Amino acid sequence: AQSVTQLDSQVPVFEEAPVELRCNYSSSVSVYLFWYVQYPNQGLQLLLKYLSGSTLVKGINGFEAEFNKSQTSFHLRKPSVHISDTAEYFCAVSDQGNYKLTFGKGTLLTVNP
Amino acid sequence: NAGVTQTPKFQVLKTGQSMTLQCAQDMNHNSMYWYRQDPGMGLRLIYYSASEGTTDKGEVPNGYNVSRLNKREFSLRLESAAPSQTSVYFCASSPRSPSTDTQYFGPGTRLTVL
Repeated sequence: AQSVTQLDSQVPVFEEAPVELRCNYSSSVSVYLFWYVQYPNQGLQLLLKYLSGSTLVKGINGFEAEFNKSQTSFHLRKPSVHISDTAEYFCAVSDQGNYKLTFGKGTLLTVNP
Repeated sequence: NAGVTQTPKFQVLKTGQSMTLQCAQDMNHNSMYWYRQDPGMGLRLIYYSASEGTTDKGEVPNGYNVSRLNKREFSLRLESAAPSQTSVYFCASSPRSPSTDTQYFGPGTRLTVL
């Protein structure tokens, strides 16, 4: 069975500071990894995903994530955050042949002026 | 192109009442999903439909039924609502594979059961 752990439930940062949101997963087979973002009172939208190939994945709004198989991690990073990045971020995992996308519990990123 | 639409946006029910949450997508996607979101729990899959005419249980199906009416529409029914079903419900769709495809989410329905 696959599972996802988001290590921080809340991350407060100041505007223009770098940020890293941590995600670890467990799965017995090869995985596909996703980061979704949820702005207040909205549905989720995809930030980026790793299916295969380069372990460094670039997404929308200047975010990137690195797949680390040995550490079973897929941490999300941004070098300089904006107030508009305030949102909840969800890491998710699936594997080949699985109908289910398993979500982590989410990390609330709050960017302060 | 509206994407994924959900109705209603908000609903308050009394225990024991029934209701149907509606979802429609205009992206010609094969797969559709119903999730519930509870504070500190992330999203949990209730039901899934790989194609018109097929549905499968997800992680938390008890107390719910679904209908894939056609390729566009996927409804979620609560036959006898309970306070434990107070939640925000999201419908989503993807082109085909739930493993690799991006899922597109609706704006959600906020349901309160008293």
